[in-house]
Amino acid sequence: ETGVTQTPRHLVMGMTNKKSLKCEQHLGHNAMYWYKQSAKKPLELMFVYSLEERVENNSVPSRFSPECPNSSHLFLHLHTLQPEDSALYLCASSQVAGPYQETQYFGPGTRLLVL
Amino acid sequence: QKEVEQDPGPLSVPEGAIVSLNCTYSNSAFQYFMWYRQYSRKGPELLMYTYSSGNKEDGRFTAQVDKSSKYISLFIRDSQPSDSATYLCASPGSSNTGKLIFGQGTTLQVKP
Repeated sequence: ETGVTQTPRHLVMGMTNKKSLKCEQHLGHNAMYWYKQSAKKPLELMFVYSLEERVENNSVPSRFSPECPNSSHLFLHLHTLQPEDSALYLCASSQVAGPYQETQYFGPGTRLLVL
Repeated sequence: QKEVEQDPGPLSVPEGAIVSLNCTYSNSAFQYFMWYRQYSRKGPELLMYTYSSGNKEDGRFTAQVDKSSKYISLFIRDSQPSDSATYLCASPGSSNTGKLIFGQGTTLQVKP
């Protein structure tokens, strides 16, 4: 596997379910990100982790719970979601978090549908 | 007012055309800008970045920043069907935590 991988690629869940999204980066990076991409809306940053420490929480509801056990893995735990949470969830990584010249590398995303 | 704004299109052009994609930003303190390209069912990939004003060229692609009008552009020369994708402009704004502010994205279709 190379680059940034995400599983599952597609997920359908009910509002009472609990599920987790997984992201893995194979680039040796120290920063990882979760983004939400909704139809007709800009890509929106959710969380930033640097060296497994959360450094940015962009006012995300508590029904989204991130976890970064090491610099290669990032999870997004989902519970009691709403239909408006249906979107493409993208993971990204970069060498470090912060300097504007750091390129972020994105995974293919998980397409989530909440019924 | 959104910090970075972009016309979502869609934009359809014939193969070989010159394409102009544009964004505006609201904060004059923004200095660093990127263009990402996103193919269908894929994540965005960095295409080009520019700092402050002026032009930057990479092959068929030219990125331009006009700070006086807070306007950023991406020009694609000799467009190809493989250029069909959504183009996203972005800026880190004043963030030092890696946060990027994205425009809505413009969907481009290049017809053979």
